Amino acid sequence: DTAVSQTPKYLVTQMGNDKSIKCEQNLGHDTMYWYKQDSKKFLKIMFSYNNKELIINETVPNRFSPKSPDKAHLNLHINSLELGDSAVYFCASSQDVQGGNEKLFFGSGTQLSVL
Amino acid sequence: GESVGLHLPTLSVQEGDNSIINCAYSNSASDYFIWYKQESGKGPQFIIDIRSNMDKRQGQRVTVLLNKTVKHLSLQIAATQPGDSAVYFCAETHTGGFKTIFGAGTRLFVKA
Repeated sequence: DTAVSQTPKYLVTQMGNDKSIKCEQNLGHDTMYWYKQDSKKFLKIMFSYNNKELIINETVPNRFSPKSPDKAHLNLHINSLELGDSAVYFCASSQDVQGGNEKLFFGSGTQLSVL
Repeated sequence: GESVGLHLPTLSVQEGDNSIINCAYSNSASDYFIWYKQESGKGPQFIIDIRSNMDKRQGQRVTVLLNKTVKHLSLQIAATQPGDSAVYFCAETHTGGFKTIFGAGTRLFVKA
């Protein structure tokens, strides 16, 4: 069973469109994240959610709206897509940050290409 | 890896040799450090971690060294194998923090 699964794996779309990426973890973890990886492999945190509550918003444009309907899911909706949004987006989870379990478990990524 | 320039730093080693990947971290408040391995088409995967009350930790074929004085972290891989070829990231955070910061990454090539 895949621990952190995200869909779709590939997303190709036109500039100006709206798209969503879904993420689910079956590890029973409390905290979920979205990271963006650019073409140079640089990984940057976007959002952290703990028990469905937003904890970190790393100065991400308002066009990006995460939603966590429950602890096991963290979806990412992107409005008015721009060329610069092209990247690989990774969902991750960790067990219990406040208890000292900060180790991240990553999904396999969603490669977004904006044309 | 080391945060340098525009290109991903690359380390090329012969199969069977030892590899050392270095990383300079930035935040003096960080007290938990992790190495992740990312293979092509996959997400980063945990390799080994170390807390700031230690300066060395060993796993199976991997060792992490921490020098807090100069804010330096290194990953040593013994008897490097072709399956070790990947991009390696150091990461830092503080205990109870919800933000793990990743270094720039180092690409490891293993020559057969």
